[in-house]
This record gives sequence, structure tokens and C-alpha cells, in this order.
Amino acid sequence: DAGVTQSPTHLIKTRGQQVTLRCSPKSGHDTVSWYQQALGQGPQFIFQYYEEEERQRGNFPDRFSGHQFPNYSSELNVNALLLGDSALYLCASSFSGIYGYTFGSGTRLTVV
Amino acid sequence: KNEVEQSPQNLTAQEGEFITINCSYSVGISALHWLQQHPGGGIVSLFMLSSGKKKHGRLIATINIQEKHSSLHITASHPRDSAVYICAVPLTGGSRLTFGEGTQLTVNP
Repeated sequence: DAGVTQSPTHLIKTRGQQVTLRCSPKSGHDTVSWYQQALGQGPQFIFQYYEEEERQRGNFPDRFSGHQFPNYSSELNVNALLLGDSALYLCASSFSGIYGYTFGSGTRLTVV
Repeated sequence: KNEVEQSPQNLTAQEGEFITINCSYSVGISALHWLQQHPGGGIVSLFMLSSGKKKHGRLIATINIQEKHSSLHITASHPRDSAVYICAVPLTGGSRLTFGEGTQLTVNP
């Protein structure tokens, strides 16, 4: 049974560019949460998607947006990249937002 | 004051030692997560617990809801246990997690 799958694993972008990160939840899960983890810090909540809608949002600017598809997979989009957006982006899936919380291995984004 | 506090921040042990990592949080919660992260890696969920105690192999997690405190214990520690251990709680009452700052554990052979 595949767990949470994130792609790509590593990515290098230039300031001002846009990036899309992808997450496939664990089978049977319907909720996807995204977190940003800067080097040496704990993960910070970006937002959560359930039933194709953004259900909760953390303290991140509108440059961060997302989407959830009918198959529960999700995308995280970041526009107008800043150097400070360099981080590990983690996706976590769960059932009804609570059960079986499972994290992916993350996408390492470097903005140069 | 952080809403989720872990101690210690850093811990160095010799192989075979018994390890305890503590987590305190500020508000009532429905459940607490203990997570493990290896350098440069993703996060692995170790436990989610809402009361009492859970055990998996050499790992034991306990929680005291009234005291808003949880502990993660590792028995017979091994160098492969070296990682950052993080506790996380849904402080806002939903499923959005707030993370502690993590405990960097190093187990020397």
C-alpha cells in the first residue's frame, strides 16, 4: 500500500518564477495538508484541502495557493518565488482530517 | 512562550541507554502526534495518541491529558535512532498541526 507520494523530490527555481508541487495521498485518505519546513525549523502549516476546497489556512501570503482534485490528490502552487521560499515542503494526508495522519517525504525547493 | 514545548532540544546518548523526550502543550487537545525526521528527510509518524500509553517495538509514548504533557521513551537506544523527534498537536481543535521545535537525538555506538 503506497503511502503519501510527493513530486518532484528536489527542485531548483529562480526568484520570480512559479512552481507547482504535487501530492498523492495515501489510499483511503481524503484530506491533504501542506506544510513548509525551513532549514532548522519545525514545519509550519500552509493550508488543508478537503472535498476539493481549502478548509483551513495558515499565515501564508496569497502567493501560496492550492488545489485538490476529485481523486484527492493535491497541488501546491507558489508564485513570484522569493529566496525565503526555499524550504522542504511536506504533504500529509488523513481521513476526515484526523485519522491515519501520514506524511510524505517532501519536496526540497531551492530558490536562487 | 511556544504553544508546544519540547525538552531537551539536544540529547546525546550512548548505545543502549534509555531515552526520554518530553512535550508540553498549552491547550486541551484531542490527540498528540510523535514524529521522527532524519536529516534531509521527510517525516515519519511514530504515534498518535489521545490517552494512556502506546508501544511499538522499543518506542513507548505516554500522554497525560490533564497535565497537558506527553513523553516519548526509547529503550535500548541504537545509533539508527539518531534523528529529530517532534511532537505535534492540533491546537486549533481541527486537524491543523502545530509542531514543537524538535529534539535532536544522537546515539553514539
